[in-house]
Amino acid sequence: GQQLNQSPQSMFIQEGEDVSMNCTSSSIFNTWLWYKQEPGEGPVLLIALYKAGELTSNGRLTAQFGITRKDSFLNISASIPSDVGIYFCAGQPWGGGADGLTFGKGTHLIIQP
Amino acid sequence: NAGVTQTPKFRILKIGQSMTLQCTQDMNHNYMYWYRQDPGMGLKLIYYSVGAGITDKGEVPNGYNVSRSTTEDFPLRLELAAPSQTSVYFCASRLDTEAFFGQGTRLTVV
Repeated sequence: GQQLNQSPQSMFIQEGEDVSMNCTSSSIFNTWLWYKQEPGEGPVLLIALYKAGELTSNGRLTAQFGITRKDSFLNISASIPSDVGIYFCAGQPWGGGADGLTFGKGTHLIIQP
Repeated sequence: NAGVTQTPKFRILKIGQSMTLQCTQDMNHNYMYWYRQDPGMGLKLIYYSVGAGITDKGEVPNGYNVSRSTTEDFPLRLELAAPSQTSVYFCASRLDTEAFFGQGTRLTVV
């Protein structure tokens, strides 16, 4: 099946720092999504991207759909304690069908006081 | 709207027991999915359904069964629980591209 490479696997940062994470694929995706999962909860959608080159913001979060359609990144500015969690990228492969999204393995964000 | 609701939230099973994980959604979504999540491994697709009466295997279907008799409900059945099925299970639904997830069922098989 499709593979998404998400990096970094984990990040240990200080409160107030900016965060950047990315996902890459060997094949073309026509949709990129970014989810956040908090402990004991299901993933919650943060940002959805539908066009190559698209740059979308949601508060302190900014995500971009790569021009090649094979990558996407998520930035978080001025991190705060409630940003802690696991961030997943997910994509709908080009020509993909009903079998849903392909997920990255997640970036575990830890904020040190 | 409640969204996607999963029950139970936690369960401990003995090897060889069976159980059904319940999932229901009130968004009238046609597509529904079951994923399992293991530490550091992301989400792996078990089964999916494109509408009532239609189901299909995902990446890791062995040891599981599903049914979709209504648009709202998509239960996941484990017939003979094995330790390898210890995991967190998520049900999801989608209308177009964006998937919405339930809160998960944490299952331990001992």
